[in-house]
Amino acid sequence: QTVVTQEASFSVSPGGTVTLTCGLSSGSVSTTNYPSWYQQTPGQAPRTLIYNTNTRSSGVPDRFSGSIFGNKAALTITGAQAEDESHYYCVLYMGSGVSLFGGGTKLTVL
Amino acid sequence: QVQLVESGGGVVQPGGSLRLPCAASGFIFSNYDMQWVRQAPGKGLEWVALIRYDGSNGYYADSVKGRFTISRDNSKNTLYLQMNSLRPEDTAVYYCARDLCGRTSCYTRVFDMWGQGTMVTVSS
Repeated sequence: QTVVTQEASFSVSPGGTVTLTCGLSSGSVSTTNYPSWYQQTPGQAPRTLIYNTNTRSSGVPDRFSGSIFGNKAALTITGAQAEDESHYYCVLYMGSGVSLFGGGTKLTVL
Repeated sequence: QVQLVESGGGVVQPGGSLRLPCAASGFIFSNYDMQWVRQAPGKGLEWVALIRYDGSNGYYADSVKGRFTISRDNSKNTLYLQMNSLRPEDTAVYYCARDLCGRTSCYTRVFDMWGQGTMVTVSS
């Protein structure tokens, strides 16, 4: 069974740059997986950040960017701010209507 | 105002059933594929089901296949999730979400907008 992999946790200094990744337990991530990224703070619904690999959702600051990095999808935050401390989830589309979430990355800004 | 509002959550015994409606407003509901996503307490997000814009096809996660049914009533701008044979591991907040894929174009898959969620607890 295919699993979407993410780092469990990551930390970044305020103003720093961090790249979170999203991979597959078998195979490489490609643009045809339509990678998307979501931010979630406790008790809140998720917020859509990036879709279709690198398209920012409306209202998302340009310090958030998406890419394919090697065989994984990546979310980069350039100039991290305190309010970016959150959980981040990636989603990969596997075809035939099926999407898979990664386990999520808890990002700490300190 | 563009929004999705879930309801119908509550406490149900194992083996029981529950139907979750999701009311859509502020956009042309019948143009968009719709999805359900859930989140168990303290856990990550899990995709549950997808339905095409016209209700023609539904797709399910293995964990719910054969027990859950996704449907929609485009005349009422409402998405549904019928949950049968509920198990304690189905305990979660259930979110409905709009997909950008739909009637007019389908170039990607994304949970474009989200409801606030409704809590389902399966317990005796």
